[in-house]
Amino acid sequence: NAGVTQTPKFQVLKTGQSMTLQCAQDMNHEYMSWYRQDPGMGLRLIHYSVGAGITDQGEVPNGYNVSRSTTEDFPLRLLSAAPSQTSVYFCASRGQFEAFFGQGTRLTVV
Amino acid sequence: AQKITQTQPGMFVQEKEAVTLDCTYDTSDPSYGLFWYKQPSSGEMIFLIYQGSYDQQNATEGRYSLNFQKARKSANLVISASQLGDSAMYFCAMRGVTQGGSEKLVFGKGTKLTVNP
Repeated sequence: NAGVTQTPKFQVLKTGQSMTLQCAQDMNHEYMSWYRQDPGMGLRLIHYSVGAGITDQGEVPNGYNVSRSTTEDFPLRLLSAAPSQTSVYFCASRGQFEAFFGQGTRLTVV
Repeated sequence: AQKITQTQPGMFVQEKEAVTLDCTYDTSDPSYGLFWYKQPSSGEMIFLIYQGSYDQQNATEGRYSLNFQKARKSANLVISASQLGDSAMYFCAMRGVTQGGSEKLVFGKGTKLTVNP
């Protein structure tokens, strides 16, 4: 089925470790984004991209890096994990009349 | 700034009945899009339905319909013939712009729907 594939589903990191959350879509959408969902805070935009080679910061970009080398892939990198980055992360891909999310990654930083 | 308000923290409905989940929005943009998502306990965000600000007709998708009242700035989700599997959190969202100028989806705080047998 077409959609957004996000991996891993669960991850536990130690403080200071780095990791990459993978996101891929097969709908040829230009716009992709990363959100984090925290209790009481709703979903907040981390980074977004309007096409291959173009990325920009959202509301809460600190501690995260992104790149967009292809239309399909939009990985999110945690540079040095901190307990404050414990959250559920969603990758989203948007067309003109729809916006689909990946299955989410539940990340715990200890 | 754009804002989405969902005033119902929780709703209960009997199986096979219809239910309306409220959503009001605030924006000064003439062109915008409104979305509804379902988040079951498993955590994924499932896209349900989309309504564009210039669409003349209310959007429908199977048992889901969006009651779009532009003058009142409301975009309520109607679920007909509720099923037990409809029990979940429901989020209303609008395509908006952050203070920094980046596009994003602005989400409401959600409504937890419980369908009783």
